[in-house]
Order: sequence, then C-alpha cells, then structure tokens
Amino acid sequence: KQEVTQIPAALSVPEGENLVLNCSFTDSAIYNLQWFRQDPGKGLTSLLLIQSSQREQTSGRLNASLDKSSGRSTLYIAASQPGDSATYLCAGAYYNQGGKLIFGQGTELSVKP
Amino acid sequence: GAVVSQHPSWVICKSGTSVKIECRSLDFQATTMFWYRQFPKQSLMLMATSNEGSKATYEQGVEKDKFLINHASLTLSTLTVTSAHPEDSSFYICSARAGRQGISSPLHFGNGTRLTVT
Repeated sequence: KQEVTQIPAALSVPEGENLVLNCSFTDSAIYNLQWFRQDPGKGLTSLLLIQSSQREQTSGRLNASLDKSSGRSTLYIAASQPGDSATYLCAGAYYNQGGKLIFGQGTELSVKP
Repeated sequence: GAVVSQHPSWVICKSGTSVKIECRSLDFQATTMFWYRQFPKQSLMLMATSNEGSKATYEQGVEKDKFLINHASLTLSTLTVTSAHPEDSSFYICSARAGRQGISSPLHFGNGTRLTVT
C-alpha cells in the first residue's frame, strides 16, 4: 500500500528563518510529487511539481527536492514570512493509480513576526 | 494559470435533504476530475474519480448511491450528497488536471465546499 507521511505535523518559526518541510513515501515507483499550500477553510494551491526524472524544482523562495531512492521529498522555504503561515501538503502520483494523488497529513506552519 | 471553480463555497442543509456541488474547469477541458473529502485537521481523502461521459470510479468504502457523481461535459462535474446526515458534514474539494500530459500535469484544486448538515 502506498503511503505518504509528513513530519512534523506542526512547526513554528520566527520570521526570516529558513526552514525545511519533510515528506516521505513508501513506494519508489512514484510518477511525480506535488507540494500544495492550504489556507484555513480554503482549497489547495499548487506550489511545485517534481517529475520522477527530476531532482528539484524552484519557484521564488521555494525549492522542492525529490529523492526516489530514499523515498523522500523536502520543501525548502527561504527567508520565511508571516504570510507563509499555512498548511503544506505533499502528494504523490503513482503509475498504478491512474493519476490519483495520495496525500500526506500536512505540516501546519506558523511564522511569527 | 488553470482555474478550477467550485460552487457553492458553503452550504447548510437539513438532515435528509440532498445537496449538489459543482466543479468547473474555467479555462481548460478536463476529462477526469477528482473529488476529495477533508475532515478538520486531517488530510484529503480521495472519494471518487469522475470520468467525462462514463461512470465514476469510487474508492473503497465510499457509497456510490449516497455520493452521486455526474461528469456530463469536459468542464463540469457535479457531486450530489443524497439524504445528507450530520456525519456527512465535511469539506469537499474537487480537482482536475490541465494540460495534455496526463499524469505529468499538475493537479489544480477548487476552493472547496463546506457542507454542514443540521
């Protein structure tokens, strides 16, 4: 059974700090991995998508990496801001799942001013 | 960028009534849409995969007669919660893939519908 896990469940950091969110997955036959942001009571905003053939993707202050051999992905946020406070979810798409995404539990990030 | 519109954003209904939620892809066509459910402080759980012009595929444990899905066009999928009960209260989110790369394309989400059954 394919599972996606995120640790920690919650994280609080002071403004300006660089931080890393972790995501692990059980099946290396992953097609791609996507990171999302969710604000309270809202839908999901896609942040970064990493194909299985890629090792990282960058967008502004965000950098996501993918290591299939270890079953891990990280989301690096540079110079964090209070506006970055949200829940961050990672999700994997697998070859044998027809494009469905399997989600981790999310990390609730709070950036204190 | 690709936009998925979901309506309504919130709804309150009485127990025993039915509620319809719409999911539209505004600037792209989506042959497949996905419906998720999210309980407070929990992650998203896939309910069903909606396929244009054919029957939806439901995940194990999801009652297809209770959660009716219709994908009548390439830009619209609907989820109807029939005979709703308080335990159906939840946050329902739809998603769709833009682009022609199939599974390689990112999944885009609507803003969700907060359903409260009294």
